[in-house]
Amino acid sequence: DIQMTQSPSSLSASVGDRVTITCRSSQSIDKYLNWYQQKPGKAPYLLIFAASSLRSGVPSRFSGSGSGTDFTLTISSLQPEDFATYYCQQSYSIPRTFGQGTKLEIK
Amino acid sequence: QLQLQESGSGLVKPSQTLSLTCAVSGGSINNDGYSWHWIRQPPGKGLEWIGYIFHSGYTHYNPSLKSRVAISIDRSKNQFSLKLNSVNAADTAVYYCAREDIAVAGGNFDYWGQGTLVTVSS
Repeated sequence: DIQMTQSPSSLSASVGDRVTITCRSSQSIDKYLNWYQQKPGKAPYLLIFAASSLRSGVPSRFSGSGSGTDFTLTISSLQPEDFATYYCQQSYSIPRTFGQGTKLEIK
Repeated sequence: QLQLQESGSGLVKPSQTLSLTCAVSGGSINNDGYSWHWIRQPPGKGLEWIGYIFHSGYTHYNPSLKSRVAISIDRSKNQFSLKLNSVNAADTAVYYCAREDIAVAGGNFDYWGQGTLVTVSS
């Protein structure tokens, strides 16, 4: 199985801050990496697919980059609705695997 | 707009079988561009992939659960189902069904059900 490791596990930030979350895979996954946002009591929501492609309707303050084993999700200017938990997920192989999550909290 | 809705028993006794169904509306389950998945999340924890099925009936399961899980599809009802047998407390989780768009770079889970909490307890 491909292990996905996110850092940090939690992060405190303020509205307007620029935030970066990192995801590392245990082997190369090319660009087969997706990012999801999950709010309490809700299902995860796809933000970024194929490492850097923004899902239609997702604000442009979200961006993704990386390939191989190292990936980042950046939020350029945090908004109140962005405080949530973020997960990376590899779609390179089966079983599909997720990172452990990064909880983004208000400072 | 595609919608997925989980249904099934919210309380299962230890050693018994968990059964859930995911009803798909707003689109057909008979589409080569998508696969249909089950994913779970224990309370306060991360996401674990359980397995998937294609409309053809082809399945693939997480090796960690393979001996206990079965996913089936009912094309006439536009739904797919999960059975997990010999459950224990560690199987307590919110269970999600999701669609994977496999037409794009390996795939992504673009639509999810709202999730249903299944508690394993006597």
